[in-house]
Order: sequence, then C-alpha cells, then structure tokens
Amino acid sequence: GQNIDQPTEMTATEGAIVQINCTYQTSGFNGLFWYQQHAGEAPTFLSYNVLDGLEEKGRFSSFLSRSKGYSYLLLKELQMKDSASYLCAAVRGATNKLIFGTGTLLAVQP
Amino acid sequence: DGGITQSPKYLFRKEGQNVTLSCEQNLNHDAMYWYRQDPGQGLRLIYYSQIVNDFQKGDIAEGYSVSREKKESFPLTVTSAQKNPTAFYLCASRREGVNEQFFGPGTRLTVL
Repeated sequence: GQNIDQPTEMTATEGAIVQINCTYQTSGFNGLFWYQQHAGEAPTFLSYNVLDGLEEKGRFSSFLSRSKGYSYLLLKELQMKDSASYLCAAVRGATNKLIFGTGTLLAVQP
Repeated sequence: DGGITQSPKYLFRKEGQNVTLSCEQNLNHDAMYWYRQDPGQGLRLIYYSQIVNDFQKGDIAEGYSVSREKKESFPLTVTSAQKNPTAFYLCASRREGVNEQFFGPGTRLTVL
C-alpha cells in the first residue's frame, strides 16, 4: 500500500529546536519533499531528499533513510513565523506523483 | 514575473451547479496537477497532465473533469456529480526532469 504518517500537531518554544518525523510506504519511491504551508496559503518548498543523509539549508535540515522509510525535518532557532503546517510528501514512480501526509501543525510559543 | 495563478481566490456556488477553476502558469512547465485539501487531511491528487492534450486521473477524480488545450492552462471543472465539493483547491506545475512541484495560491470553493 501507500501511506505517509506524521504527527498531527506539535508545540515548541521560540528559539528552540524541533524535529518533525515522517514515515512512508510507497511503491516506486523516488524522493521525499518537505513543504511549509501557512493557513489558507499555498505550500512552499523547503527541502528535497533523494539519497540517504542530511541536507542542511540555513535553519532547516532534512534527513532521509530509504531503508527505514523515514525522514525528519529539523527546525533550529525557532521563530514565531515558523508556526505553520509542515507537509511531508513522497515522490511516487516515473510519473513523479506526490503522496502527501496529513501535515504537522506546528505552534511556536513565546 | 514567472509563476502560477489561480482565480478567483474565493468562489461560492449553489449546489447542483458546475464550476470551473482556473490555473495558468508562465513557467514553461510541462506537467500540471490539481489537488484538493480538506481540513485535517493531506493534499489529494485529482488529475494531472504531463503534456498538452493528455491528462490522467489521480486518486479522487470522480466528479471532476479537466482539459489541457494549452501548455499554460489546466482548468478544473467541479461537476454536480462531486458529492462534497467544498474544499481548498491547489494547482501545481513541474518542469520536465525535475521533481519539485510549484504551487499556485489556491482557490477556496464553497458550495451552498
């Protein structure tokens, strides 16, 4: 089957570090995306992993383990503007269709 | 500026009416996608098109129709056969050979 799992909600404190986990099961896996989505707006690209390992981009890092079907998004030095939903999406097959998780709603508190 | 536009941002329709959502891109992307997002759920794929004059059903195509007569345009029609049409609709596009999909601003459709 095809399935993406991520926590529904998380809360963290401004200035802290938070890790959002994502597990996936999909045939023809071809990479994993993380998107950020503020309420009522379009998702915006954060990261893309196709090989195992950690990709770092400023305050955001993303990790992938293909053998474990596992990824995480790490947000450092949290800011209030980081309060948003974070969507995990697996790329499926040659047609590059995306399978999305339900999203993790992150609330950053002062 | 290059990008994807969807109009209108908010759309209201009476039950039983068909409605067409616009999606235009000037990024010269080959592939285009339509997703539906409901509260507490992830994006679900309705239809996609990888080339002009060709499109494929996604996971929840029932009650929807699309056309791809031009590379830049991929309109979605929500028909009266769609049982629960009220949702946030997102259009996306992708360049050939690249996996990243770029999203439009979305249209929130409310059927009264």
